[in-house]
Amino acid sequence: DVKVTQSSRYLVKRTGEKVFLECVQDMDHENMFWYRQDPGLGLRLIYFSYDVKMKEKGDIPEGYSVSREKKERFSLILESASTNQTSMYLCASSFPPGHMKSQPQHFGDGTRLSIL
Amino acid sequence: GQNIDQPTEMTATEGAIVQINCTYQTSGFNGLFWYQQHAGEAPTFLSYNVLDGLEEKGRFSSFLSRSKGYSYLLLKELQMKDSASYLCAVRPLSGGYNKLIFGAGTRLAVHP
Repeated sequence: DVKVTQSSRYLVKRTGEKVFLECVQDMDHENMFWYRQDPGLGLRLIYFSYDVKMKEKGDIPEGYSVSREKKERFSLILESASTNQTSMYLCASSFPPGHMKSQPQHFGDGTRLSIL
Repeated sequence: GQNIDQPTEMTATEGAIVQINCTYQTSGFNGLFWYQQHAGEAPTFLSYNVLDGLEEKGRFSSFLSRSKGYSYLLLKELQMKDSASYLCAVRPLSGGYNKLIFGAGTRLAVHP
């Protein structure tokens, strides 16, 4: 079974702090993704990475950065946390589309982040 | 633009059948996924369609019409544990990446 592990289920931080969210997967997946999930808006892609040290902006990258130094680990960084970044953050991983037809993304349990 | 629409909420009775619709407009198409998400949990993969027609997996089936930009998820013999949000996601043509665009999700409540 695919295992995607996020370092914290719940996190409370203060405005202006630098916040690190960590995600580790154990399936040797090339692709990794960070989403935020807000009521009524669904999952929105912040950043994704298609290989070690490679990253691409998603739909809402402002205020975030990412790091992928090792294949199994993808970190999301809030450079200076603000209250509008209070949300559920979900990490996912997958193989790239190609040999296998479907290649679903597999998700971690999420980190509920509150910025006070 | 890219847009995925699905109803916000649905209710159904235990033992019944429910159909959750999804319409999409995306830049190219390379597959459609359905996920189930229980409150406070991770989304879990349910089904995948890339060609027109019906894919059946036990009590769950998913249908796709690419010409209409339309899919549905059919849940039969509903059980209380099927109360969850159901997320429709489309994979557009995106240069070999496995990016997905998600709808806002349909919250299904199953009543006895």
